[in-house]
Parts: sequence; C-alpha cells; structure tokens
Amino acid sequence: DQQVKQNSPSLSVQEGRISILNCDYTNSMFDYFLWYKKYPAEGPTFLISISSIKDKNEDGRFTVFLNKSAKHLSLHIVPSQPGDSAVYFCAASLDSNYQLIWGAGTKLIIKP
Amino acid sequence: DAGVTQSPTHLIKTRGQQVTLRCSPKSGHDTVSWYQQALGQGPQFIFQYYEEEERQRGNFPDRFSGHQFPNYSSELNVNALLLGDSALYLCASSLLGFQPQHFGDGTRLSIL
Repeated sequence: DQQVKQNSPSLSVQEGRISILNCDYTNSMFDYFLWYKKYPAEGPTFLISISSIKDKNEDGRFTVFLNKSAKHLSLHIVPSQPGDSAVYFCAASLDSNYQLIWGAGTKLIIKP
Repeated sequence: DAGVTQSPTHLIKTRGQQVTLRCSPKSGHDTVSWYQQALGQGPQFIFQYYEEEERQRGNFPDRFSGHQFPNYSSELNVNALLLGDSALYLCASSLLGFQPQHFGDGTRLSIL
C-alpha cells in the first residue's frame, strides 16, 4: 500500500526553465509534507516543507504547493540550475513527531 | 558543527551473519530514526529512538533491533542477515516534535 506516490521516475528540464515535480498521497490524515534532495553517495538533504493548514510555501527558488482536495503536492524550482540535478523525494507525516512516509523519488536532470 | 555521521560507509556480510551500524546525531538533537532504502525506492522507516527507548516502529521483523545511548548516539543491529537486507541504511536525527529530520550519508550494506 503505497501512501505517497511520485509517478514520474525522471524529468529533464532546460537550464533556466521551471522544474515541476509532483507527488500524490492517499492518506488524508497526513499533516506535514517535506521535499528532500539526494545526490549519489550522500544522504537526503531537506529542501522545503509545508503544513496541511497552508497551500503554499516559498523559499528562494523553491515553492511547494499543496492541494488537499486532490491529495496532491508539487515542488516548483525557478530558475532551474545545473546543481539542481538530483533525485527528489516527497515525504509525508501524520504529525511532526511521526515517521516519514516516502515516495520513490523523481530524478531531475537539468540540461545546459 | 558536525552533522549526522554514520559508520561504516560500506559493509559486506554473508547470509546468516549479524551486523551493527552506528550513528551520531547532529549536535543538539535528541531523537534518532533509522531508514532502509532499497535500490530505486524511497526510504522505509525502521524505528525511532528517544530517551533510549523505541518510540515508533515500522513494518520490520524482530531481526532488526536498536539502541540509543545516553549521548543520543544510536546503533542498528540486524541478525540472521538475508539477501533482501542488502540496502542503504540511513540514520536521521531531529529534536522530538520538530521537523525536518537531518540525514547522514548512510551505510551501504551488501549481503552475499
């Protein structure tokens, strides 16, 4: 039972353009959502998060949007840079104390 | 300020053996979580430790056990290793009640 799904295994975007990564979830009780970035041979690095009481959170080039009715969230990266090439994971939690439930990840490739 | 550190980086074991992985949390953090990441998948929650007690546990058999020490560092022990235990094992630390979790670079465990 996959509660958090990232349906695109990979995404290729031109440098300078917008990258949009998507994530769907099934459990309406999820209260907190996070995006992590992972480079090869490194652990996941936290990018940005959003609470279920909000529908948007912005941090520099990164914006996360949450659509609770559709059980969908997305990460927008503008403008995309070569260093953004990595695997991006969406994760969800029932509350700030609870375990993280992860998607399978989307590999983002930024083309020069 | 050191982040989360894990040892060893890589480990090769044979079926039936036992293994111990170690984790030192980020300075100031009191909670340690362990995750297993198989190739091409997102991390799967194993368990979480706080105040030297297991607080939460994912869907993993009793062969997986852990410990947290008074200095907040933690160990993950796996007994009777199976081929399917081959994975990247990630340790994450946080302050109880707060996100995000900060991850180490993981231990790559290979079972022959």
